[in-house]
Amino acid sequence: DAGVIQSPRHEVTEMGQEVTLRCKPISGHDYLFWYRQTMMRGLELLIYFNNNVPIDDSGMPEDRFSAKMPNASFSTLKIQPSEPRDSAVYFCASSSGTTSYEQYFGPGTRLTVT
Amino acid sequence: AQKITQTQPGMFVQEKEAVTLDCTYDTSDPSYGLFWYKQPSSGEMIFLIYQGSYDQQNATEGRYSLNFQKARKSANLVISASQLGDSAMYFCAMREVTNAGKSTFGDGTTLTVKP
Repeated sequence: DAGVIQSPRHEVTEMGQEVTLRCKPISGHDYLFWYRQTMMRGLELLIYFNNNVPIDDSGMPEDRFSAKMPNASFSTLKIQPSEPRDSAVYFCASSSGTTSYEQYFGPGTRLTVT
Repeated sequence: AQKITQTQPGMFVQEKEAVTLDCTYDTSDPSYGLFWYKQPSSGEMIFLIYQGSYDQQNATEGRYSLNFQKARKSANLVISASQLGDSAMYFCAMREVTNAGKSTFGDGTTLTVKP
């Protein structure tokens, strides 16, 4: 299996621009998670989906952030407009549904907003 | 209240020695899973080991073992015969049935293996 695929791996953008991060989960996994990692705040769960339906988006920082999962093999995290404080590594992870299954993480997208 | 607590921000160990990374958790759910992940300096998150709340025996995976003490709500990671490549950040995490599969992560422990 190819694992969780994220694109782009690196993104540099100017403040105010729209940023779209993409994720392809492992086939057959019914949970998808978006995390943000920074030195200051550590690893934060932003939102997660079960069977393409958003279950908990309480970690989304503000309305500038939105996430979609139009089908089982694709999800996007969009930031509009972006701000310098959004600079972080964004991870996508997927897993099966029960508590006994680990999450498989993608390689992450390193976002820099100037 | 924090659900996963890792009290050691940083740890040092001599190469070839064993090291224990602490993790305590808080849940009222009878069914949950505990996980450890490794994040080397390259940034990827690597799953290491899993322990289920109903498992009678401590989990082991090669040089990794999980010291599970349910009554104390602790799930410490033991790495035996440390290698230089074990230098990384280590995260403890928990998934609860009542939380619909959501994982909670600790703040991590940075392990440095000295030659």
